[in-house]
Amino acid sequence: DVRMTQSPSSLSASVGDRVTITCQASQDISNYLNWYQQKPGKAPKLLISDASNLETGVPSRFSGSGSGTDFTFTISSLQPEDIATYYCQQYDNFPYTFGQGTKLDIK
Amino acid sequence: EVQLVESGGGLVKPGGSLRLSCAASGFTFSSYCMSWVRQAPGKGLEWVASISTVSTYIYYADSVKGRLTISRDNAKNSLSLQMSSLRAEDTAVYYCTRGLGYGDYVFGHWGQGTLVTVSS
Repeated sequence: DVRMTQSPSSLSASVGDRVTITCQASQDISNYLNWYQQKPGKAPKLLISDASNLETGVPSRFSGSGSGTDFTFTISSLQPEDIATYYCQQYDNFPYTFGQGTKLDIK
Repeated sequence: EVQLVESGGGLVKPGGSLRLSCAASGFTFSSYCMSWVRQAPGKGLEWVASISTVSTYIYYADSVKGRLTISRDNAKNSLSLQMSSLRAEDTAVYYCTRGLGYGDYVFGHWGQGTLVTVSS
């Protein structure tokens, strides 16, 4: 199984800050990597697919990059509504696996 | 608008059974792969099972293989998860998800989830 290691596990930042989350796969997954946002009490939402493809309607302050084993998720200017837990997930092979999540809050 | 509405969750004793359903609307159900993803209380996300458009391909997480069965009824726009021999560690919110595009299993759309609690 592909192990996804996400860091940090929690992060506190100020409004307007640039925020970066990393995700490392235990083997080459090409660009088969998604990023999800989950707000408290809500279902997850797909933000980025194929490592860097921003889904329709997702604000452009969100971005993703990387391929192979190392991936990055960035919020260019943190907004109050971005408070959530973020997950990476690989879909190169079953079983599909998630990172452990990064809980983001406002400082 | 894509809508996925789960039902069937509840409290069940260890070793018991439960059947979850997901009613789909707002898209051509038979054209998309479907999956179940779960989340234990206060924990992260775990993929459970996926099924292709006409049920040709079915995949399970090792943790549920032999106990949980995914199925679909394209005529009724419905996805199901038959759960048996339930364990405490199956306690979670179960989400129904739809593939992002034709033929993929990306979790592009999610239902609101249904809570399954396994406890004596």
